[in-house]
Amino acid sequence: GIQVEQSPPDLILQEGANSTLRCNFSDSVNNLQWFHQNPWGQLINLFYIPSGTKQNGRLSATTVATERYSLLYISSSQTTDSGVYFCAVLNSGGGADGLTFGKGTHLIIQP
Amino acid sequence: EAGVAQSPRYKIIEKRQSVAFWCNPISGHATLYWYQQILGQGPKLLIQFQNNGVVDDSQLPKDRFSAERLKGVDSTLKIQPAKLEDSAVYLCASSFDLSYEQYFGPGTRLTVT
Repeated sequence: GIQVEQSPPDLILQEGANSTLRCNFSDSVNNLQWFHQNPWGQLINLFYIPSGTKQNGRLSATTVATERYSLLYISSSQTTDSGVYFCAVLNSGGGADGLTFGKGTHLIIQP
Repeated sequence: EAGVAQSPRYKIIEKRQSVAFWCNPISGHATLYWYQQILGQGPKLLIQFQNNGVVDDSQLPKDRFSAERLKGVDSTLKIQPAKLEDSAVYLCASSFDLSYEQYFGPGTRLTVT
């Protein structure tokens, strides 16, 4: 099946810093989503971005499908940005479309 | 618009007991998914429904896990009998249709002792 690799696995930053999270995938995709899992375990949708660039406030994402990677940018980090960020993809093979998740990037924002 | 609802939020059982989880998807969403998330890992798909039919259950341990989606709306996931390694968070997700954006519920945290 499709492989999803996220980097870095852990990231500790001071409040106000910027960060870039990367997601590499091994095959063509129909769907790519970025999620933030908060300390209570809720998966919060950040972006649905199979290709192109999107921005939402301090967050933006870019997916280059032809090169099989996606980037999530967080600017002016706040302590509430702490948590685990997951990239998840849907293979283009058709049929069932459960998402395949990476192992996540654990982000800690210190005050 | 209400999100995906799940209950219970937490459950503690002893091994070999049975347990059931309930999910109510976002209104109008045809596709429903159950995922299992073990601590420190990303969620893994267990089963996918399209309306009330199963699309994919290849990762569901069918000797102990079962799921149904009667009437194409709510769904239940059952484990019988539970094993220690079933301790995890069980997440339900829904999407408008196949390959659309998926939305997740708050999950049920299961501890098997």
